[in-house]
Amino acid sequence: DAGITQSPRHKVTETGTPVTLRCHQTENHRYMYWYRQDPGHGLRLIHYSYGVKDTDKGEVSDGYSVSRSKTEDFLLTLESATSSQTSVYFCAIKRGSSGRQNNEQFFGPGTRLTVL
Amino acid sequence: QQPVQSPQAVILREGEDAVINCSSSKALYSVHWYRQKHGEAPVFLMILLKGGEQKGHDKISASFNEKKQQSSLYLTASQLSYSGTYFCGTENYGGSQGNLIFGKGTKLSVKP
Repeated sequence: DAGITQSPRHKVTETGTPVTLRCHQTENHRYMYWYRQDPGHGLRLIHYSYGVKDTDKGEVSDGYSVSRSKTEDFLLTLESATSSQTSVYFCAIKRGSSGRQNNEQFFGPGTRLTVL
Repeated sequence: QQPVQSPQAVILREGEDAVINCSSSKALYSVHWYRQKHGEAPVFLMILLKGGEQKGHDKISASFNEKKQQSSLYLTASQLSYSGTYFCGTENYGGSQGNLIFGKGTKLSVKP
């Protein structure tokens, strides 16, 4: 347990509505990540952050934005949710504070999002 | 550039051994292994670094062939608790430092 919580844990929403998912960590880690997990695809990186206000795109970033105004919180926003964004979303942290050191990632419990 | 895992699924009896493979088309700096049980988050098992350093689980072993860009996870004398889906995550040279690309997973079922 790396002190990671996600909220909400489950959400059902309608197409076209905005949705924000929150990831909160208690251990002051610099790196944070958002993944989505879909059957047959494994885990795919959406966005990541390497510090407050420092974020970058991952493999599947279209339709998603992120913000990190505090070290402990990393927010994922779906500006206008679509059915293709129905998925399980995992937040993760990396314990290392620089580049390639201590690269193990630890995951939060996940958020199951359904877009109708 | 997603790594390829094999087999996709395997069924074992308690006490049997299994090998899960992870292969990449890119030069790798490290390989990470995770296990995920149904409805739960992935859990870190092991990291294998270029140069031979390993960190992780004391009852599961793995190898990393840097030249072949392959890693294998060895599960010996399997227990019921080993059931789950195993993912490898690869860190490529030239990619964003520390970012992982995950394979699609190998589902392991251990029966009594």
